Amino acid sequence: GQQLNQSPQSMFIQEGEDVSMNCTSSSIFNTWLWYKQDPGEGPVLLIALYKAGELTSNGRLTAQFGITRKDSFLNISASIPSDVGIYFCAGQLGTNAGKSTFGDGTTLTVKP
Amino acid sequence: ETGVTQTPRHLVMGMTNKKSLKCEQHLGHNAMYWYKQSAKKPLELMFVYNFKEQTENNSVPSRFSPECPNSSHLFLHLHTLQPEDSALYLCASSPRDTTDTQYFGPGTRLTVL
Repeated sequence: GQQLNQSPQSMFIQEGEDVSMNCTSSSIFNTWLWYKQDPGEGPVLLIALYKAGELTSNGRLTAQFGITRKDSFLNISASIPSDVGIYFCAGQLGTNAGKSTFGDGTTLTVKP
Repeated sequence: ETGVTQTPRHLVMGMTNKKSLKCEQHLGHNAMYWYKQSAKKPLELMFVYNFKEQTENNSVPSRFSPECPNSSHLFLHLHTLQPEDSALYLCASSPRDTTDTQYFGPGTRLTVL
C-alpha cells in the first residue's frame, strides 16, 4: 500500500523558534491533511489542503500542498510551549476519510 | 472536546478476558471509525461504519469484533487478545465516509497482559 515518509521524527526546539516538517509519498494524493495530537488525546485537524501548490494558514501554522502532489509541508512560526505534541500528515486520493494514509508523526518538544 | 467520547480511557486485561470499548459521538455524523495507534507507527484503520453498515474491515483479526447499533454509538468487543494488541484505540467520526475530515476521540489505552 501507499506509505508516507514524515520527517523529522522528532524535534527539540527553543520557544520562539520556527519549525518545519514535511511528508513525502511515492504516489500522488489529491488531499493533504495535517493533525496535531496532544498527550493523552486524539488527533485534531489543523489544516486541510485540496489543490497542488495551495498554501493555507491557521494562525501561526502554514501548510503547503506540494506542486508534484507527492509532498506537503507544515511550518509553525514563533513556537510556544503549547505547540508540544505529535504532528501527523495524512494523504487521501479522494475525499474519503477512511482511505487516509497517515505518516508516523513528528514529535515536537518546545523548551521554554 | 471534539464531540467524540470514548470509555474507558484506560483498560488492562488478561489474554482470556472479554471486554468492550465504547465510542459515542454528539456531532450528528453518520460515519464512525476504529483505529489502532501503536508507538512510532502510523495510525492503522481497523473498521469503518457508514449509516450503521460496515463498509471497511481492514483485515482485522476476529478477536476484535465491532458493533454499531446506531450512527451515534460504536463498540469494539475484545476477546482472547494478545500482548501485541496493546495500543491506543482511537474512535473517529465524520459526516459520511465520503467526507475528508474526521473528528477523533481521546482514545482508550489498552494493555494486554
